[in-house]
Amino acid sequence: EVQLVESGGGLVKPGGSLRLSCAASGFTFSSYSMNWVRQAPGKGLEWVSFISSSSSYIHYADSVKGRFTISRDNAQNSLYLQMNSLRAEDTAVYYCARPTSPHNPYWYFDLWGRGTLVTVSS
Amino acid sequence: DIQMTQSPSSLSASVGDRVTITCRASQGISNYLAWYQQKPGKIPKLLIYAASTLQSGVPSRFSGSGSGTDFTLTISSLQPEDVATYYCQKYNSAPQTFGPGTKVDIK
Repeated sequence: EVQLVESGGGLVKPGGSLRLSCAASGFTFSSYSMNWVRQAPGKGLEWVSFISSSSSYIHYADSVKGRFTISRDNAQNSLYLQMNSLRAEDTAVYYCARPTSPHNPYWYFDLWGRGTLVTVSS
Repeated sequence: DIQMTQSPSSLSASVGDRVTITCRASQGISNYLAWYQQKPGKIPKLLIYAASTLQSGVPSRFSGSGSGTDFTLTISSLQPEDVATYYCQKYNSAPQTFGPGTKVDIK
């Protein structure tokens, strides 16, 4: 089955760190760019970060630049998001999302995980 | 970066009504515009890409139009199962920004 499964969320204090993982299965993970998208409680979708299939190109939203680091391990079919200096406003469900085509890295998303909740609170 | 706006932020309509949601980009994005539907408690679902191409399996009452900076999503006859929040997204370059969403419910 083609799927993405996020893990690693939880409760963390402001200023703390957390590492999210996204396990991919059912498709050739190494051929696709990948993204993280988040959604604060009761709010809209916010694109967070992009990584190309070979990790050559990486992009971040201004809101997380300098604090978050995206990475991937194609041998392990896994995507990661290292989150440092966490703030209350980072509280959200974090989704990994895959574009429809391996040939168009910045494409729209047809595959989403179910998300993992990150809560930043003292 | 290109900013995406949507209007209205919410709407309430009757079953069978025609519903139109507008999405605007701060700069021209050709037709690199997708629409997603997110039902309460669910993950987003791709409805339309390339501004007007219906994703496989999406009911034909959904349609999209536009190019450049102005886009619309239309539901020709609103159904109870269409209660959801709808998001536009620009793509083909980073950041793949989403609009703020339009919440649709039944009157």
